[in-house]
Amino acid sequence: DGGITQSPKYLFRKEGQNVTLSCEQNLNHDAMYWYRQDPGQGLRLIYYSQIVNDFQKGDIAEGYSVSREKKESFPLTVTSAQKNPTAFYLCASSTPIGLEAFFGQGTRLTVV
Amino acid sequence: QKEVEQNSGPLSVPEGAIASLNCTYSDRGSQSFFWYRQYSGKSPELIMFIYSNGDKEDGRFTAQLNKASQYVSLLIRDSQPSDSATYLCAVRSSWGKLQFGAGTQVVVTP
Repeated sequence: DGGITQSPKYLFRKEGQNVTLSCEQNLNHDAMYWYRQDPGQGLRLIYYSQIVNDFQKGDIAEGYSVSREKKESFPLTVTSAQKNPTAFYLCASSTPIGLEAFFGQGTRLTVV
Repeated sequence: QKEVEQNSGPLSVPEGAIASLNCTYSDRGSQSFFWYRQYSGKSPELIMFIYSNGDKEDGRFTAQLNKASQYVSLLIRDSQPSDSATYLCAVRSSWGKLQFGAGTQVVVTP
């Protein structure tokens, strides 16, 4: 089945540790996105990539890093520099010509 | 100014009535516009997309776009309790950035 897979679904980390969230898609989409969602809030764009080996910062990139070495993969690292990392993280992918974005099931990160 | 703005609600709608949701955006070069529905704790799912000025209908849903006014709306006819969710407006800019509004919570009351 084609789709976007985020793993893990739930993730717990201690404060000060870096953590990497996985996002894999087999839809052959060029564009991929990472969003953060806090309770009762909308989606805020962290990073996006329209092509392999290229990515751009979104509105809240500080404390996060990404890589796009393969078309199907766009991992997000939450670094210790991110002051409030506890949130619901959503990955999405789309074709670059304006069609809709499809979402993974999300990763709920809790930092204690 | 936020790039995509929505009223946060909640919007309370009697069952069977029409729910009207609004969204404005700041980038005049935006190319495509989407409405997503999100249930609590779940990821967003696409309801409608619209690229051209005017109306687009799909079942009980109608999206309306006015690029001159930088305004996009969603109408839900014959609202059902299962329509109770948060509705997210999304706008894709000409350079590919996909931005979301804060979402409008809709509550359909029996």
